[in-house]
Amino acid sequence: GQSLEQPSEVTAVEGAIVQINCTYQTSGFYGLSWYQQHDGGAPTFLSYNALDGLEETGRFSSFLSRSDSYGYLLLQELQMKDSASYFCAVSYSSASKIIFGSGTRLSIRP
Amino acid sequence: EAGVVQSPRYKIIEKKQPVAFWCNPISGHNTLYWYRQNLGQGPELLIRYENEEAVDDSQLPKDRFSAERLKGVDSTLKIQPAELGDSAVYLCASSLERGAPYEQYFGPGTRLTVT
Repeated sequence: GQSLEQPSEVTAVEGAIVQINCTYQTSGFYGLSWYQQHDGGAPTFLSYNALDGLEETGRFSSFLSRSDSYGYLLLQELQMKDSASYFCAVSYSSASKIIFGSGTRLSIRP
Repeated sequence: EAGVVQSPRYKIIEKKQPVAFWCNPISGHNTLYWYRQNLGQGPELLIRYENEEAVDDSQLPKDRFSAERLKGVDSTLKIQPAELGDSAVYLCASSLERGAPYEQYFGPGTRLTVT
């Protein structure tokens, strides 16, 4: 089967950097995605890694190591609006077949 | 461009009653997903369509849940009869198979409460 593990909660200070880790077990791995979801809102796509390495998009970066079945989301210059849940999601068998992790709730302190 | 549209946004029903959710995906998106999300959990796939074909419904409780996507555009998810444990947010998402199939666009969801 497929499984993902990520921390349930992370707390950080405004302006700081935070890393949210994700480990996965899957067969037929295609890629690792990250989604953000504010309370009461819909998940929104942040990034996708199919190959090893770091992908940067503004203040957010995502990293993948296929050999370690591990990835992380890095958020820099944290803002209060970054307080949300962050989900890692694995694509397996095809890019559109996706399973989500249980999410990491990020709380930002002033 | 309009996003994924879902209705209703909220629904409260008594157990054993039927309920239906409707979704209109982003124009041109051929892949459509229905997810269920419980509080504090990630979205759980119920069914995935490629055009009008259901290509993955292994997680759909077929004894009470049904779905259709006529003409490969909008879709309806039905529960009959509803149980207390069905209370959750039902999310619809769509993606474009050619291009970035991993990038899913979610609708606002329908929050179902079964009493």
